[in-house]
Amino acid sequence: ETGVTQTPRHLVMGMTNKKSLKCEQHLGHNAMYWYKQSAKKPLELMFVYNFKEQTENNSVPSRFSPECPNSSHLFLHLHTLQPEDSALYLCASSRGGNYGYTFGSGTRLTVV
Amino acid sequence: QKEVEQDPGPLSVPEGAIVSLNCTYSNSAFQYFMWYRQYSRKGPELLMYTYSSGNKEDGRFTAQVDKSSKYISLFIRDSQPSDSATYLCAMSDPGNTGKLIFGQGTTLQVKP
Repeated sequence: ETGVTQTPRHLVMGMTNKKSLKCEQHLGHNAMYWYKQSAKKPLELMFVYNFKEQTENNSVPSRFSPECPNSSHLFLHLHTLQPEDSALYLCASSRGGNYGYTFGSGTRLTVV
Repeated sequence: QKEVEQDPGPLSVPEGAIVSLNCTYSNSAFQYFMWYRQYSRKGPELLMYTYSSGNKEDGRFTAQVDKSSKYISLFIRDSQPSDSATYLCAMSDPGNTGKLIFGQGTTLQVKP
């Protein structure tokens, strides 16, 4: 148990579907992040939340919509995705500043 | 030029070998450096955390930072098959935003 829990672990969705990814942290951290991990590419930062407020949207397409109802929970709502969006989506939390992250195990997303 | 460069490998070594993993970076303002280990189908976990230049040792692992050369290294002594994983270097954004900039990751296989 890493302290950051992501569900579901695997997701297969069609291009017209709507689904949501969930992340929950029990570490008392202030900041939460969504990253995309594709094969042979560095981790790509998507969104940053500090104290529930979005502080970064890294030019992510609008078909990805984040939600942070409180400091412990983070969602990523997905709709009309493309096959190139297939990847591992990682949630992380931190105390902010220059501290390292604690990652969840990720959601393996396949868009068909 | 990428902010952080890391050879993706794969790197294959026999059990007991000394492993050297490296990253170079372009931004001289980076001060906080990290190494993450990621096993297959898992999220990255923080392995080593260093500030500024110098060495830090933790068991079989040694992290080294050379700021003059903009070069960081992770050494693994007496490597074990259980060390087989992808190793990612990361650096903290100098703007104190809490963001990390990751290398592509190096895949290591330690053969028994």
